[in-house]
Amino acid sequence: QVQLVQSGAEVKKPGASVKVSCKASGYTFTGYYMHWVRQAPGQGLEWMGWINPNSGGTNYAQKFQGRVTMTRDTSISTAYMELSRLRSDDTAVYYCARDPRIAARPGNFWFDPWGQGTLVTVSS
Amino acid sequence: QSVLTQPPSVSGAPGQRVTISCTGSSSNIGAGYDVHWYQQLPGTAPKLLIYGNSNRPSGVPDRFSGSKSGTSASLAITGLQAEDEADYYCQSYDSSLSGPGVFGTGTKVTVL
Repeated sequence: QVQLVQSGAEVKKPGASVKVSCKASGYTFTGYYMHWVRQAPGQGLEWMGWINPNSGGTNYAQKFQGRVTMTRDTSISTAYMELSRLRSDDTAVYYCARDPRIAARPGNFWFDPWGQGTLVTVSS
Repeated sequence: QSVLTQPPSVSGAPGQRVTISCTGSSSNIGAGYDVHWYQQLPGTAPKLLIYGNSNRPSGVPDRFSGSKSGTSASLAITGLQAEDEADYYCQSYDSSLSGPGVFGTGTKVTVL
């Protein structure tokens, strides 16, 4: 079955960077866009961006431009999200989530399935 | 910050019907982009409930239904059950600088 397994929880100091991984299984990794979504404690969902695992092309939410980098390693079917210059308000659970439409153009996308989430805590 | 607005909470007794609204604008729902819905049980990742405005993935009970009209969309839960107590989020595509991925503010459903 399609599954996304993320890396474990991280604790970082303000100003540092964090890199979260998302290992995909059960499908052809390069055939489906991967998105990243975050959720601050007690708050709603916030879309961060997507990566096309086939080409490596990316599209980031304006809010995160310049601080986020999404990459992938097709040899191990893994997507990565790196967020730099961390602040306390970056404390959140970070999710990877697949667009289930094969070879789809970005637009009208949705997410299924989701990874289990990775808690990133930013604290001095 | 969310560009899609949902009521913070709705409640109902077991067996009742509840609806959750999702109000957008001319740059997202009103522009013809689809609306999708997710259920998030406490302490878990969101799960797809409805895609493409009204389509249910395999395994989602037909108690859940979605609709869209103009700049808004709705999720209906009929025959409310205790296990439906969760947070629900709508999501769409936005052509403005807010997007392209946008979520609703989220609605907590409480089963009385």
